[in-house]
Amino acid sequence: QVQLVESGGGVVQPGRSLRLSCAASGFTFNNYEMHWVRQAPGKGLLWVAAISYDGSNKYYADSVKGQFTISRDNSKSTLYLQMNSLRGEDTAVYYCARLGARGDFDYWGQGTLVTVSS
Amino acid sequence: QSALTQPASVSGSPGQSITISCTGTSSDVGRYNLVSWYQQHPGKAPKLMIYEGSKRPSGVSNRFSGSKSGNTASLTISGLQAEDEADYYCCSYAGTVVFGGGTKLTVL
Repeated sequence: QVQLVESGGGVVQPGRSLRLSCAASGFTFNNYEMHWVRQAPGKGLLWVAAISYDGSNKYYADSVKGQFTISRDNSKSTLYLQMNSLRGEDTAVYYCARLGARGDFDYWGQGTLVTVSS
Repeated sequence: QSALTQPASVSGSPGQSITISCTGTSSDVGRYNLVSWYQQHPGKAPKLMIYEGSKRPSGVSNRFSGSKSGNTASLTISGLQAEDEADYYCCSYAGTVVFGGGTKLTVL
């Protein structure tokens, strides 16, 4: 069965960096576009970034452009999100999600919490 | 890109029907029929409930239905059950991805 498992979250001081990972299994990872979506405490879902199936195209929300970098290692079936210069407003649960063939997010990970605090 | 507009909350009694609207623009909701809806229970990941505006994934109850007219998509839940109490989000995939602000459904 399809599984997406995020890791790498935790408490980090403002200005520091963190790298999130999303390990995929149960499907052919290199056939799918993958996304990161975040949710601040008590708030709604916010799209963060996307990467094409082969990693050649990357897209970012304006709020994280130049600060976050999405990447993937298809040989390891793993998606990454490198987050630099973290700020308090980056505090959120970060979900990885698979983009289905119909423009929908058909599978989601359980999320990993990133807390930016001194 | 601005979030799609959803009502902050809706409520209904068991057995009743409710509808959640999701209003965007001609650049997102109105552009393609790639609107999806997600259910999220507290502390859980979102779950896909509707895709392509009106289609249900396998395993989703037929009490859930979707539609779209112009720049507004809608999610209708009929025969409300206690387990339907959750947050619901619409999403448009039209080159970029934009979510609605979310609607809290309370089953009275």
